[in-house]
Amino acid sequence: EVQLLESGGDILQPGGSLRLSCAASGFTFNRYAMNWVRQAPGKGLEWVATVSGSGSKSHYADSVKGRFTVSRDNSQNTLYLQMNSLRAEDTALYYCAKDERGLTPGRLDSWGPGTLVTVSS
Amino acid sequence: DIQMTQSPSSLSASVGDKVTITCLASQSIGRYLNWYQQKPGKAPKLLIYSTSNLQSGVPSRFSGSGSGTEFALTISSLQPEDFATYYCQQSYDTPPLTFGGGTKVEIK
Repeated sequence: EVQLLESGGDILQPGGSLRLSCAASGFTFNRYAMNWVRQAPGKGLEWVATVSGSGSKSHYADSVKGRFTVSRDNSQNTLYLQMNSLRAEDTALYYCAKDERGLTPGRLDSWGPGTLVTVSS
Repeated sequence: DIQMTQSPSSLSASVGDKVTITCLASQSIGRYLNWYQQKPGKAPKLLIYSTSNLQSGVPSRFSGSGSGTEFALTISSLQPEDFATYYCQQSYDTPPLTFGGGTKVEIK
């Protein structure tokens, strides 16, 4: 059974930095791209970033490009999201989600429960 | 980027009703259309992929149809556990991966 568990969410001030983690189990981690998707309070789903199975390719939403970095440690079956220069509009529940593809984002067939990031002065 | 537009944004229905949600893509996406269900306080769950394929464990009262730019999610007989928000998502031309705005299905 696929299991994903995010951690690292926190309350912080604008301009701050934070690293989210997602521990994965139940599948061959390095075969699949992994995604971060966020949901602001009361709003819809917004794709944030994808990293390929090997970790060699990454893709970002325009809203976070240059501020966020997605990475993975395939030896530890863990996905990361480094978030810098945080803004109030980054406040959201951040989900990690397994992709059915290995390289580019496709369909997200398993999701973690999410971790909450609040950016407020 | 491909834009996804869902309608309605919300609807009220009764148990046993047939419910249809539509999703329009800003350009043709073939059949690369996925549907997710999100219950309050829970993570989204993949419901249907590639327009009409039910994810494992999804009841047969759910079905998907369409191609090109117009798609639909149908619940043939609404059950109490189906009250949730539903999102469509295209996987034809990514990145970016784009979602519709969501349709909240509420109890009448």
